[in-house]
Amino acid sequence: QQKVQQSPESLSVPEGGMASFNCTSSDRNFQYFWWYRQHSGEGPKALMSIFSDGDKKEGRFTAHLNKASLHVSLHIRDSQPSDSALYFCAASFANTRKLIFGLGTTLQVQP
Amino acid sequence: EAAVTQSPRNKVAVTGGKVTLSCNQTNNHNNMYWYRQDTGHGLRLIHYSYGAGSTEKGDIPDGYKASRPSQENFSLILELATPSQTSVYFCASGDTLGQDTQYFGPGTRLLVL
Repeated sequence: QQKVQQSPESLSVPEGGMASFNCTSSDRNFQYFWWYRQHSGEGPKALMSIFSDGDKKEGRFTAHLNKASLHVSLHIRDSQPSDSALYFCAASFANTRKLIFGLGTTLQVQP
Repeated sequence: EAAVTQSPRNKVAVTGGKVTLSCNQTNNHNNMYWYRQDTGHGLRLIHYSYGAGSTEKGDIPDGYKASRPSQENFSLILELATPSQTSVYFCASGDTLGQDTQYFGPGTRLLVL
């Protein structure tokens, strides 16, 4: 079973719309969470990290973490066609440098 | 931003042949990682390293070896390549225990015939 599960598998939003991604972990020992984005033909690139419960905002991107429910989310407001990509949630334990990745959500922003 | 380069970018190999994938990072990060990416499996960790001379097994190490001869370089070696190792391979580097934002290279697309 995947330890980091993402939903939905794919998402389509109009330009200027809100895109929302969800991630649920099955291990309560995860302490740190990241969102990565991968454009076609490129390597993944870190978007945001979140380590404490609550919201973290960086420009158009907002991440939310609730460790009690093992849930982390990412919201992109004012989505642009350049945001079309594969979005990964990743988690790690406190004492390891290993990341566990979800399978990803594909975002398509329609012009 | 961290600079991670990989070579070659594309490789065609024959079954049973030896393949070496190379990775270089110029940001003096202690940690380096090798992943493979396959549809339906996401990114899976093959080997990683804490510094020059060290290698550790990741989640799917079978059929792969790794070498970290210096801080900057980390290689992934397929001694006897098999078609099941056809994949896209990514190298990454990072630092800081527990808060390790990883910086990925552009990937190597490997086809084993």
